Amino acid sequence: KQEVTQIPAALSVPEGENLVLNCSFTDSAIYNLQWFRQDPGKGLTSLLLIQSSQREQTSGRLNASLDKSSGRSTLYIAASQPGDSATYLCALLTGFQKLVFGTGTRLLVSP
Amino acid sequence: DAGVTQSPTHLIKTRGQQVTLRCSPKSGHDTVSWYQQALGQGPQFIFQYYEEEERQRGNFPDRFSGHQFPNYSSELNVNALLLGDSALYLCASSLEGVNYGYTFGSGTRLTVV
Repeated sequence: KQEVTQIPAALSVPEGENLVLNCSFTDSAIYNLQWFRQDPGKGLTSLLLIQSSQREQTSGRLNASLDKSSGRSTLYIAASQPGDSATYLCALLTGFQKLVFGTGTRLLVSP
Repeated sequence: DAGVTQSPTHLIKTRGQQVTLRCSPKSGHDTVSWYQQALGQGPQFIFQYYEEEERQRGNFPDRFSGHQFPNYSSELNVNALLLGDSALYLCASSLEGVNYGYTFGSGTRLTVV
């Protein structure tokens, strides 16, 4: 059974800091990995999609990496802003065509 | 280009009642999945529909059922509601296959009292 862990569970940083969110998984048999953002009480917004054959993807200030052999993915956020405050979720697409989610990292960026 | 649309946004039901949630996928998407998200948890997979058939199902009881229509829209039905069914219900759509990401709707917040 695929298990996904996200560390840290919560993170508080001052504006302008660069930060790294971690996602680890137990089964490397995945098709892709997707990072999402979720604002309180809202739906999920897709940030980055990494195919299993890729090592990283970049979008603006966001960079996500994938290392299947070690069962790890990281989301790097450069020059954090208060608007980045949200919960960040990683999700793996498994062979059963379903996404398996971690429990998320709650990020607070203070002005 | 409209994304995934879910309705209603909120609703309150009494234990034992039945509820129907609706989802319109992103334009061009043919696969619809439903997820349940309890407070403070990651979303849990309920089931997925493709070509009007339930293709995969998560660890949810038969009280949870669904349907996909020819226009790819979908419904989630929950019978005999329990207090523990209170959650945010998320609909996600995608193209068939494993090379595409999922687009999520804003969710329906269900409260069972």
